[in-house]
Amino acid sequence: AQSVTQLDSHVSVSEGTPVLLRCNYSSSYSPSLFWYVQHPNKGLQLLLKYTSAATLVKGINGFEAEFKKSETSFHLTKPSAHMSDAAEYFCVVSVGQKLVFGTGTRLLVSP
Amino acid sequence: DTAVSQTPKYLVTQMGNDKSIKCEQNLGHDTMYWYKQDSKKFLKIMFSYNNKELIINETVPNRFSPKSPDKAHLNLHINSLELGDSAVYFCATSKTGVSYEQYFGPGTRLTVT
Repeated sequence: AQSVTQLDSHVSVSEGTPVLLRCNYSSSYSPSLFWYVQHPNKGLQLLLKYTSAATLVKGINGFEAEFKKSETSFHLTKPSAHMSDAAEYFCVVSVGQKLVFGTGTRLLVSP
Repeated sequence: DTAVSQTPKYLVTQMGNDKSIKCEQNLGHDTMYWYKQDSKKFLKIMFSYNNKELIINETVPNRFSPKSPDKAHLNLHINSLELGDSAVYFCATSKTGVSYEQYFGPGTRLTVT
């Protein structure tokens, strides 16, 4: 069965430092992978998606993710964190027509 | 102009009541979904409709009944509400296909007392 595992429930960074949110996937074939962000008391917003095209995917707000088949990973990165990046981040795999969500990583950004 | 909207945003009700949540989209997508987010932020799909036809029905109690009057609307009716139904319910839409991203509504926070 296809699934994703988010390795950290919480990540804390200082403003201006790099962000790394880790995600590993399990899939018997080439998956479609997504990162979504949820700000407090808000809905989910798509950050970026991978659908077997370029392995380095650029998203909104300076985020990017790299699909590494050899490591079954799809980690989310950003060179410099901003206070407004504080939110819950979900790694997601598409299984047929439905999305299967990871358990989420809360990103905390301190001044 | 809101792409995916849900009403109400907050819903507080007592156990045993029946309530409905409405979802409307103006993206022209033909697939719509309901997801449930529990208190630990875990998101799980409940239902999916494509062109008004039910295509995904996860193991959800039959007290939950989705209804799609047309391609732009997907409503969720819940009978005999229980404490465990307290959660945030999200509507989402997408084009048909496995690699299309889904667009989410703002959510409806349901509290059952």
